[in-house]
Amino acid sequence: DTEVTQTPKHLVMGMTNKKSLKCEQHMGHRAMYWYKQKAKKPPELMFVYSYEKLSINESVPSRFSPECPNSSLLNLHLHALQPEDSALYLCASSQGEGLRYEQYFGPGTRLTVT
Amino acid sequence: DAKTTQPNSMESNEEEPVHLPCNHSTISGTDYIHWYRQLPSQGPEYVIHGLTSNVNNRMASLAIAEDRKSSTLILHRATLRDAAVYYCILRDPGGTSYGKLTFGQGTILTVHP
Repeated sequence: DTEVTQTPKHLVMGMTNKKSLKCEQHMGHRAMYWYKQKAKKPPELMFVYSYEKLSINESVPSRFSPECPNSSLLNLHLHALQPEDSALYLCASSQGEGLRYEQYFGPGTRLTVT
Repeated sequence: DAKTTQPNSMESNEEEPVHLPCNHSTISGTDYIHWYRQLPSQGPEYVIHGLTSNVNNRMASLAIAEDRKSSTLILHRATLRDAAVYYCILRDPGGTSYGKLTFGQGTILTVHP
């Protein structure tokens, strides 16, 4: 099983809502990632978790709050988002954080903030 | 991280070989060259990576110039399913951000039937 699953596939939320994105992998990977991809742009790294601890935060605004409750799950909690936060949010995982490990990506959650 | 330069777009016919170039003139001696691709409406997908020697796998081949300032991803027989954005990425094993993938603009590959 080399699959990373993400739910929901699509999400529409208002600027005052609180919602969460969920990512799951059962490959035994110990590193997990959140990326943000705007239309017609490349993905941009947001967060990296390694062994369930936050390893990298790319200066992401606090309205995005990641959580790694166990080695298989990664959440992204959303609160008070802005319309410019509308994007495709991609989750990825890899065996470890090092460069020799390829990253496996999920299909993404398409988020629209109204 | 060192920067890469790729053509914005390329076209190919089905069942023909495709050579996707990448320039990385400021590459350091420890940077690995990774290729990922992103099919329409999907997340990126790992293709191949290498350091100095040419590499082959079931998806593609990676040819690395002797001075490492450029590389070429080779798809031996393009299929319609290979139509995607191809990203050439340099990854530095050192430092505190060694888990980081920094995507450039990539090359949009169109495959004609």
